[in-house]
Amino acid sequence: GAVVSQHPSRVICKSGTSVKIECRSLDFQATTMFWYRQFPKQSLMLMATSNEGSKATYEQGVEKDKFLINHASLTLSTLTVTSAHPEDSSFYICSARGISHNSPLHFGNGTRLTVT
Amino acid sequence: AQSVTQLDSQVPVFEEAPVELRCNYSSSVSVYLFWYVQYPNQGLQLLLKYLSGSTLVESINGFEAEFNKSQTSFHLRKPSVHISDTAEYFCAVTFTGGGNKLTFGTGTQLKVEL
Repeated sequence: GAVVSQHPSRVICKSGTSVKIECRSLDFQATTMFWYRQFPKQSLMLMATSNEGSKATYEQGVEKDKFLINHASLTLSTLTVTSAHPEDSSFYICSARGISHNSPLHFGNGTRLTVT
Repeated sequence: AQSVTQLDSQVPVFEEAPVELRCNYSSSVSVYLFWYVQYPNQGLQLLLKYLSGSTLVESINGFEAEFNKSQTSFHLRKPSVHISDTAEYFCAVTFTGGGNKLTFGTGTQLKVEL
């Protein structure tokens, strides 16, 4: 079945540094990828929608200059958390959808980011 | 406004007992409904979905959910739970015209005890 690989699974970084998270579709081409953030005991919140070859669409309240999203190919999207702060510590999950309009969404295993 | 509500944040249950995880939604348009399961430090896995047709949908591991339009609910049930069912369960909705964006409930932590 379709697999989405997200890397790294865990990362600890110092405040002020940047962290890149990769989301890859391993056996299908993903025209659209979604990035979610999950706070403890809360639901997943959609951060942005990434379409291959175009700029990402950010949800209201998400800083596009802080959470840089690149979707340069049909199998890879990256989320870069720039100048990370402790409040950015969270669980980030990507999901990917294939080319067909009816393609199901497949989720990565998530990345636990801890900013110290 | 469109929303998804999971009334129970935690549901403790003994092994082999039945369980129901509640999910309600509000929407003025047609919806597609999903249940996802998340094991610790892992991503979401699709458990089951309702797109159209029969209002009762089943998963391969014994879970089922029934779409009730009049009550705007999509409760998840299992007649006999196992220790391995311990996880967090998320109800999610895509609204017609939503561009495949999922709106999630806040999740229900199912803890199965011996």
